[in-house]
Amino acid sequence: SQTIHQWPATLVQPVGSPLSLECTVEGTSNPNLYWYRQAAGRGLQLLFYSVGIGQISSEVPQNLSASRPQDRQFILSSKKLLLSDSGFYLCAWAQGQTRNNEQFFGPGTRLTVL
Amino acid sequence: GNSVTQMEGPVTLSEEAFLTINCTYTATGYPSLFWYVQYPGEGLQLLLKATKADDKGSNKGFEATYRKETTSFHLEKGSVQVSDSAVYFCAAPGSARQLTFGSGTQLTVLP
Repeated sequence: SQTIHQWPATLVQPVGSPLSLECTVEGTSNPNLYWYRQAAGRGLQLLFYSVGIGQISSEVPQNLSASRPQDRQFILSSKKLLLSDSGFYLCAWAQGQTRNNEQFFGPGTRLTVL
Repeated sequence: GNSVTQMEGPVTLSEEAFLTINCTYTATGYPSLFWYVQYPGEGLQLLLKATKADDKGSNKGFEATYRKETTSFHLEKGSVQVSDSAVYFCAAPGSARQLTFGSGTQLTVLP
């Protein structure tokens, strides 16, 4: 069966510090991968998605970047965090050739920028 | 691309009450439709889905019927429990292998 992992689970970082969040998927190959952000009490905002190694599409221009160094690894980064980067970050995967785009989510990372 | 409009929350119910959370969609053709649930502090879990018009998805006592004539996929449960307290998201395929999510509905069930 497939599983998706995210770490760390929680993170508290000062403004201006760098960020690296990691997401890995097991039990599938060539998945589509997604990063979402969820601000407190609000809906989901798609940040990045990837259909293959090294292929990243950005949905919202901002302080963050994403990379996919391996087929089942997706990394969210920032060189300098802003207060507005605080939120709950969710990684998700979908079958590469799915017709209905059903997605499966990881447990999330709670980021607090102080 | 497709779009999803979801009932605004929050919704507060007493235990054993009937639940309806409305969701309507605009779409080309008849895409699959989904309901996801997010318990406090967790990621989203797929609650149920329907892959074609007139299908009924069901899970954990929740149901939703894909109604093409009203372009709706309302979530229902006959008797809610305190453990159902969560945020519920309606979703449909969007553009370029993405999902389009509704804004989420916070449900609180009181004992």
